Amino acid sequence: EVQLLESGGGLVQPGEFLRLACAASGFTFNNYAISWVRQAPGKGLEWVSVISGSGANTYYADSVKGRVSMSRDHSTNTVYLYINSLRAEDTAVYYCAKNRDHSGNSQNWFDSWGQGTLVTVSS
Amino acid sequence: QSVLTQPPSVSGAPGQRVAISCTGSSSNIGAGYDVHWYHQLPGTAPKLLIYSNNNRPSGVADRFSGSKSGTAASLAITGLQSDDEADYYCQSYDRSMSAWVFGGGTKLTVL
Repeated sequence: EVQLLESGGGLVQPGEFLRLACAASGFTFNNYAISWVRQAPGKGLEWVSVISGSGANTYYADSVKGRVSMSRDHSTNTVYLYINSLRAEDTAVYYCAKNRDHSGNSQNWFDSWGQGTLVTVSS
Repeated sequence: QSVLTQPPSVSGAPGQRVAISCTGSSSNIGAGYDVHWYHQLPGTAPKLLIYSNNNRPSGVADRFSGSKSGTAASLAITGLQSDDEADYYCQSYDRSMSAWVFGGGTKLTVL
């Protein structure tokens, strides 16, 4: 059974840095791209970023480009999202989601999701 | 304002059929990119419902079906059940944004 478990959320001040983690199990980790999708309180879903199965390629939404990066650790089957210069509008539940294949190319969907971790940016 | 447009809400009585529309443009659905659908029960994570326009993952009831035509897609639910009350989201890819995009979501109420 595919499992994705996010951690690292919490209350942070504007301008601070945060690292979110997504621990994966139940599938061959190297074979699948992993995305982060966020949901602001009471709002819809917004794709944030993706990392390919090998970790060689990453892509980011314009709304976070320049402030966000991703990495993956194949020894622990964990994906990380790093967010700099946090803003109030980054407040959201952050979900990691397994892509349908390794590439993260355009014809992709999210076939499994974690339970999410809440990030609140406030002074 | 979402790139893909969905009605904010739809409703139907138990046993009835409802449809949820998802309207895009020539840079996403109309460009040939597939549409996928998710549902999200209150307080839970989204779950894949339909992929590649009209395919159901294993375990999803055949009461759920999808279609796509031109710059729009639609999710149909037949034999409505109270358990179907959830938020429903469509998703595609937008080539002008180089990003996956979601609709704003539709809240389904079973009367």
